[in-house]
Amino acid sequence: DIQMTQSPSSLSASVGDRVTITCRASQGITNYLAWYQQKPGKVPRLLIYGASTLQSGVPSRFSGTGSGTDFTLTISSLQPEDVATYYCQKYNSAPWTFGQGTKVEIK
Amino acid sequence: QVQLVESGGGVVQPGRSLRLSCAASGFTFSVYGIHWVRQAPGKGLDWVAVIWYDGSNKDYADSVKGRFTISRDNSKNTLYLQMNGLRAEDTAVYYCARAESSSGSNAFALWGQGTMVTVSS
Repeated sequence: DIQMTQSPSSLSASVGDRVTITCRASQGITNYLAWYQQKPGKVPRLLIYGASTLQSGVPSRFSGTGSGTDFTLTISSLQPEDVATYYCQKYNSAPWTFGQGTKVEIK
Repeated sequence: QVQLVESGGGVVQPGRSLRLSCAASGFTFSVYGIHWVRQAPGKGLDWVAVIWYDGSNKDYADSVKGRFTISRDNSKNTLYLQMNGLRAEDTAVYYCARAESSSGSNAFALWGQGTMVTVSS
């Protein structure tokens, strides 16, 4: 099975900072990669699919890049409401594996 | 209102069974693949199972294969997860999630609010 590895596991940044989270697949998944945001006590929310397509309603400060095995999620200017755990996920075929998550906090 | 609503969670002893339900409304349930995803307390997201739009294909995580069965009743707009032989490590919030495709091979744009399953003696 393809493993999804995120880094870092957690980060702390200041409001307005640019934040980058990486996700690496153990084998190529072309662009079948999604990013989710889960705020504390809340349901996961789809941010990006197809590695780089922003889901409707998601602020434009979120962006995604990558293809094959290496992917990134970038928050261009971190806001207090972005405090959450972020997960990548492959969805080309079973199993629909998630990364272990990256917890983002405000410094 | 487009939504998924899970039910059926609770406290169950190890080795016993439980059936979860996920009721869909506000969209054409019968054209979408639907997944179950779980999250143990304080842990990350863990994919459990998928069923195609018509129930013709199903797939499971290795950790639940042979114990859990996913099914759906499109006439009732409802998804199910029959969980047998429950173990302590199955303790989690269970979410149903709609994939944006008939086979389930797409991102999960719609999630239910989750139902908690606790396996404990």
